[in-house]
Amino acid sequence: DAGVIQSPRHEVTEMGQEVTLRCKPISGHDYLFWYRQTMMRGLELLIYFNNNVPIDDSGMPEDRFSAKMPNASFSTLKIQPSEPRDSAVYFCASSHRTSGRAEQYFGPGTRLTVT
Amino acid sequence: AQSVTQLGSHVSVSEGALVLLRCNYSSSVPPYLFWYVQYPNQGLQLLLKYTSAATLVKGINGFEAEFKKSETSFHLTKPSAHMSDAAEYFCAVSDGSGTYKYIFGTGTRLKVLA
Repeated sequence: DAGVIQSPRHEVTEMGQEVTLRCKPISGHDYLFWYRQTMMRGLELLIYFNNNVPIDDSGMPEDRFSAKMPNASFSTLKIQPSEPRDSAVYFCASSHRTSGRAEQYFGPGTRLTVT
Repeated sequence: AQSVTQLGSHVSVSEGALVLLRCNYSSSVPPYLFWYVQYPNQGLQLLLKYTSAATLVKGINGFEAEFKKSETSFHLTKPSAHMSDAAEYFCAVSDGSGTYKYIFGTGTRLKVLA
């Protein structure tokens, strides 16, 4: 299996622009998580899905952030409009429910820089 | 509410020395505990996990961790550090109730000195 795939790996954009980050989970996994990692705040869970349905979006920082999962093999995290404080590494992770002991598999991340 | 505390944001050891990275957790239900490693510019990789079976858990790359309920700890150890172990290590707790959410610690950056 190719693992969790994220694109792009790096994104540089100007403040005010729309940014879309993409994630392809491991085939057969039914949970998908979006995290943000910064030096100041560490790893933060933004939102997670189960069977393509958003379960908990309490970590989404503002209305500028939105996430979708139109099917089992694709998810997007969108920031509109972007701001410099959104600069971070964004990780996608997926897992499969196996008696409640599912570990999460992480993608390589997207490093976002907003200037 | 669950929480994880990693003591020491930076740890330095000499090559060949014992590695000890500390993790304490708080959970109102039996926890599932995980250690992840992150190499520079990479995602997180699972080192090992505790899921209420054996209290001493062996992972990849020679790492192991012991679950101690009385101390609410899940410290990570490796008998002999290698230069390739230099990375950031994260402890995480999941409540196992079916939400599959993790709470991550703040991470410990391990430096291995030649």
